[in-house]
Amino acid sequence: SAVISQKPSRDICQRGTSLTIQCQVDSQVTMMFWYRQQPGQSLTLIATANQGSEATYESGFVIDKFPISRPNLTFSTLTVSNMSPEDSSIYLCSVEGGRGIEAFFGQGTRLTVV
Amino acid sequence: KQEVTQIPAALSVPEGENLVLNCSFTDSAIYNLQWFRQDPGKGLTSLLLIQSSQREQTSGRLNASLDKSSGRSTLYIAASQPGDSATYLCAVSDMEYGNKLVFGAGTILRVKS
Repeated sequence: SAVISQKPSRDICQRGTSLTIQCQVDSQVTMMFWYRQQPGQSLTLIATANQGSEATYESGFVIDKFPISRPNLTFSTLTVSNMSPEDSSIYLCSVEGGRGIEAFFGQGTRLTVV
Repeated sequence: KQEVTQIPAALSVPEGENLVLNCSFTDSAIYNLQWFRQDPGKGLTSLLLIQSSQREQTSGRLNASLDKSSGRSTLYIAASQPGDSATYLCAVSDMEYGNKLVFGAGTILRVKS
């Protein structure tokens, strides 16, 4: 299993500002994933982050709004840029999963934009 | 496009009752199915992973089954406890979707003491 540390656990931010969320894994992993969970909704994949290459974004998500870094095999960051109240959600990072591999999640970042 | 549906959306039961949560998916070409638990405002905790070649998995009071051909999975919780109160999510790893998971909307479970 993988242990994932995500921070901050929660934040309240002013509209128009940016927040960077960090995700640290206790082992080296090839793929990391960033999800958004809007209030009362299920999880929606934002992007897949591979070390050494640009992140791959899902439909409806763009790099200018959600820039992602993946400097090594144990760490990634997601930035939520130019925030608006509609960005208020829980953001989660995940590792592996798929093709028979169990997925593990961080404890999430609860973001409120005022 | 894979779609995952969970029924019921919410469930309230008295302590000690056995219960079943349902998950269905539209495309049987999956690598695996995973059940998660989410406490309010928190991340996801993996409960059980069932590979596409398996029929069921058990962990303590939890048992998950998979019928890939019919696109169904059930999560059985025996002797429910108030600490089981949470949202339960199922997700499939879709072969066409690669390493990514497709999630259902979840079942909100409340176990009353």
